[in-house]
Amino acid sequence: DQQVKQNSPSLSVQEGRISILNCDYTNSMFDYFLWYKKYPAEGPTFLISISSIKDKNEDGRFTVFLNKSAKHLSLHIVPSQPGDSAVYFCAATTSARQLTFGSGTQLTVLP
Amino acid sequence: SQTIHQWPATLVQPVGSPLSLECTVEGTSNPNLYWYRQAAGRGLQLLFYSVGIGQISSEVPQNLSASRPQDRQFILSSKKLLLSDSGFYLCAWSAINEQYFGPGTRLTVT
Repeated sequence: DQQVKQNSPSLSVQEGRISILNCDYTNSMFDYFLWYKKYPAEGPTFLISISSIKDKNEDGRFTVFLNKSAKHLSLHIVPSQPGDSAVYFCAATTSARQLTFGSGTQLTVLP
Repeated sequence: SQTIHQWPATLVQPVGSPLSLECTVEGTSNPNLYWYRQAAGRGLQLLFYSVGIGQISSEVPQNLSASRPQDRQFILSSKKLLLSDSGFYLCAWSAINEQYFGPGTRLTVT
């Protein structure tokens, strides 16, 4: 049972445009959500997170939106840059603090 | 600042051979430690986590085991590797909510 789903395995965006990566979850006990970026043969790096008491968190070019009623979160990257090309994982956790990861979305930013 | 080390970076082992991957964390005390595996084209699967020395929780039954002999050391082992053990193994530590990952070990079982 996949509790965290990233239904788009890949996404291509033109440089300078907005990238929107989506994530859905099923467990209503999740109270904290995170996005990680991963380059090939490297460990994931933490990007941005959001608590369930918020619906938006912004950090530079990265904004995460949380829609609790729809059990949906999204990561917006604007403007997109070629260096943003990577696999993006969303993750969710409960008070137990074990992360459940989605399967990832490969973002390709075209120059 | 905190850093996390993993070694080796790459490993090629024959089926049936033993395995030992090591992870150490610097700059923090009593971290929660995790082992994940990323199989080819798939997401991150939690294998083990530890909240303290000698305390290991297994998430997935398999022929792997983990040990935490010291506060900041986490070891992933196997007595006999299977072909299906091939993948990218990641160690992570957490403070409060976020987890921070090491560089990973690419394991190929032949």
